Amino acid sequence: TQLLEQSPQFLSIQEGENLTVYCNSSSVFSSLQWYRQEPGEGPVLLVTVVTGGEVKKLKRLTFQFGDARKDSSLHITAAQPGDTGLYLCAGPSTGTASKLTFGTGTRLQVTL
Amino acid sequence: DAGVIQSPRHEVTEMGQEVTLRCKPISGHNSLFWYRQTMMRGLELLIYFNNNVPIDDSGMPEDRFSAKMPNASFSTLKIQPSEPRDSAVYFCASSPHETQYFGPGTRLLVL
Repeated sequence: TQLLEQSPQFLSIQEGENLTVYCNSSSVFSSLQWYRQEPGEGPVLLVTVVTGGEVKKLKRLTFQFGDARKDSSLHITAAQPGDTGLYLCAGPSTGTASKLTFGTGTRLQVTL
Repeated sequence: DAGVIQSPRHEVTEMGQEVTLRCKPISGHNSLFWYRQTMMRGLELLIYFNNNVPIDDSGMPEDRFSAKMPNASFSTLKIQPSEPRDSAVYFCASSPHETQYFGPGTRLLVL
């Protein structure tokens, strides 16, 4: 069974601070996706990382895929209240590209 | 593009009643997923369809839960009879390949 463990589970920080969220597994994934879920809404895809060691930037968000393709991180620079939400990593399940294994999630709150 | 449409957005019912949740996927997406989300258990996959055919229903909690996809543009998730422990947010998502597009969810409360 492929499992994706995320840490920390909860994070409460002030506006302007930096933070890093981690997504770890003992399994190798062909790719990993990061989703953000805002309160009252469904998850929305932020980025997909495909190559081991790959780094992708989306404005203040930096995503990295581990060299061994077993882990990923999300770094937010100068967090803003609009970054508040649940961050989920997800990877395709073995044998099927469309079914995803979702991580345990990191709930982020950014206050003024 | 309207995105994935779910109805109702909120449902409050009494224990023992039948509940039907509805989903209209994005046109052209050949995979459809039903998830349940709670604080305790996170996002759980209940069942998914590929080209209207159920592929994996191993996440369906018990026989009280059933799902159908009669055509490419409509799916239902039914709970009969409902129980308080079924209270959760139920999401439908559709996918053309790897990326999943989620609907806004149905918040279900069973009293």
